[in-house]
Amino acid sequence: QKEVEQNSGPLSVPEGAIASLNCTYSDRGSQSFFWYRQYSGKSPELIMSIYSNGDKEDGRFTAQLNKASQYVSLLIRDSQPSDSATYLCAVSSGSARQLTFGSGTQLTVLP
Amino acid sequence: GAGVSQTPSNKVTEKGKYVELRCDPISGHTALYWYRQSLGQGPEFLIYFQGTGAADDSGLPNDRFFAVRPEGSVSTLKIQRTERGDSAMYLCASSLSGRAAGELFFGEGSRLTVL
Repeated sequence: QKEVEQNSGPLSVPEGAIASLNCTYSDRGSQSFFWYRQYSGKSPELIMSIYSNGDKEDGRFTAQLNKASQYVSLLIRDSQPSDSATYLCAVSSGSARQLTFGSGTQLTVLP
Repeated sequence: GAGVSQTPSNKVTEKGKYVELRCDPISGHTALYWYRQSLGQGPEFLIYFQGTGAADDSGLPNDRFFAVRPEGSVSTLKIQRTERGDSAMYLCASSLSGRAAGELFFGEGSRLTVL
C-alpha cells in the first residue's frame, strides 16, 4: 500500500512569514512529486512539480526533495492571505500514471 | 472550452439508482483521469485513459463502476446500483500525453450524494 503522509493542520502563519509544509511517502520507487493547492469548494490546482533531489524555486514557492529520507516539502515565502488553502502532496511511481495523494495540510495566513 | 468541463456539478440520487457523470477534457489532451475525493481526504485514483482505451483501471472500487471514452475525448463515469458510500466529489483531470504523470488539470468536479 503506497502511502503519502501529511500533517492535516491547521497550520496558521502571520502574513509575510514563511509557511513550511511537509510530506513523507512510503514507496522508495517514487520518482515524481507534486504540490497541489485546493481552495475550499474548488478543485486541486498544480503549483509545483519536482523530480530530482534538491530545491526547485518558482516565485514565492520552493519545493524541496530528499529521496533518501523519502521527504518532500513546500516553502511559501512572504505568505499572503490568498495563500490560505489546503495543500496536497502527490506522488507517482515509475511508469505509473496514477497519483497517490496525501490528505492535505490546511494553511491559514492571518492578516 | 478553456478548461476541463464536468457535468452535472451536483447530482442527488437514491440508493440503488444508476448515475452517469460526464467529463469533457481540455482540447488536445489525450490523457484523461478520474479521481474521487471524500471530505477531508486527498483525491483517490479511479481510472486513467490514454486515447480511447482504459490504460489503468486499478482504482475502480468494484464492478459497479465503469468508465468509457469512446472517441478519445469526452468520458463518462458510470455507477450502477449506487450506495451511500459512493457519495463523494468525482474529479476529472486531463493532461498532454507527453507531460509527466501528475501534471494534471482538474475540472470543478461532480458532487454525488446518494440518499
